[in-house]
Amino acid sequence: AQSVTQLDSQVPVFEEAPVELRCNYSSSVSVYLFWYVQYPNQGLQLLLKYLSGSTLVKGINGFEAEFNKSQTSFHLRKPSVHISDTAEYFCAVINTGFQKLVFGTGTRLLVSP
Amino acid sequence: DVKVTQSSRYLVKRTGEKVFLECVQDMDHENMFWYRQDPGLGLRLIYFSYDVKMKEKGDIPEGYSVSREKKERFSLILESASTNQTSMYLCASSLGGAGTGELFFGEGSRLTVL
Repeated sequence: AQSVTQLDSQVPVFEEAPVELRCNYSSSVSVYLFWYVQYPNQGLQLLLKYLSGSTLVKGINGFEAEFNKSQTSFHLRKPSVHISDTAEYFCAVINTGFQKLVFGTGTRLLVSP
Repeated sequence: DVKVTQSSRYLVKRTGEKVFLECVQDMDHENMFWYRQDPGLGLRLIYFSYDVKMKEKGDIPEGYSVSREKKERFSLILESASTNQTSMYLCASSLGGAGTGELFFGEGSRLTVL
């Protein structure tokens, strides 16, 4: 079975600074990887996904993530954050032959002026 | 746009009450899911369904049941609510087949059990 680790429960950052949210996964087979974002009092929405092809994936709102198979990582980055990026971010993995998406415990990004 | 609608955003119930959480999706998705979200624990899968009248247990099914009588509707039932079921409940749907794992979520139902 696959699993996901998000080591940082909370990441404080100043507006316009760069940010990286870390995600590591474990799986014995090929996987698809996702980042979801949850704004306050809302459900989750897809930020970006890696299915195959280029290991650098671009998503909405200027976010991108890089799939690193050797390090089993899928870190999320943004070169310059905005106050409106304050939210909780969830990394998720699914085995390519299976239907259940496994989520990490989430990282709360706090952007201050 | 895909829309997943959860009927109640906030509910307050008493211990022992039967609770129904309703979820409807409008994109003809085969798969539907119920998750529970708690601080520090992320999202945990309660039940999911790949088709009408079909259900599968997720990681934490104890104390819950589900019903899927129509393709667009997936209900979560707490037969006898307990205080440890106070949580945020999220419904999601996705296309069927081999699947790419992309889920579409509702806005959540925050349940408080007193």
